[in-house]
Amino acid sequence: EVQLVQSGAEVKKPGESLRISCKGSGYRFTSYWIIWVRQMPGKGLEWMGSVDPTDSYTTVSPSFEGHVTISVDKSINTAYLQWGSLKASDSAMYFCARNDIQGEIVSTILPWGQGTLVTVSS
Amino acid sequence: DIQMTQSPSTLSASVGDRVTITCRASQSISLSLAWYQQKPGEAPKLLIYKASTLRSGVPSRFSGSGSGTEFSLTISSLQPDDFATYYCHQYNSYSNTFGQGTKVEVK
Repeated sequence: EVQLVQSGAEVKKPGESLRISCKGSGYRFTSYWIIWVRQMPGKGLEWMGSVDPTDSYTTVSPSFEGHVTISVDKSINTAYLQWGSLKASDSAMYFCARNDIQGEIVSTILPWGQGTLVTVSS
Repeated sequence: DIQMTQSPSTLSASVGDRVTITCRASQSISLSLAWYQQKPGEAPKLLIYKASTLRSGVPSRFSGSGSGTEFSLTISSLQPDDFATYYCHQYNSYSNTFGQGTKVEVK
């Protein structure tokens, strides 16, 4: 079964750093781009960026450029989303997901991880 | 970047109703459009891709249509399990874009 399993919920203070993870299994990890999607409380889905696990090439939405870093460790089939300095406005659910088409930078998205809830509060 | 405008934002309907959600792209995306269903506390689930292709296992009451810049998702006879939020998603450009979402609620 193809699945993505994300790390658990996090509670952080403003200014702290954070890295959340997304581990893929059941498929060849390097063959499919991984994407990250933010969902703020009660709001819609926002594409944050994507990473090619083959060579760690990333593309990041201008809305998130400079504030988050997307990376991957293909040796352990894991992608990461990290912040150097969190803000209260980063409080949200974060989903990782996989492109459904092998090797494509964009495609339908399937499957999705279960989500990681990040709460940033002083 | 391609913008996706989805409407309505909320739709009140009853079981058995036919409902339609529309999505408009700011420029042509050919058939590179998908629809997802999301329930509270869950990840989105893919329903339709390539504008009108039903994903295996998705009930046939769901259908998609359109091309270029105008797309729609129709549920032919709304069932209790269909009350959820629906999102369109364009994957034509190198950046993904989602519509704002349509919440289908009980009338």
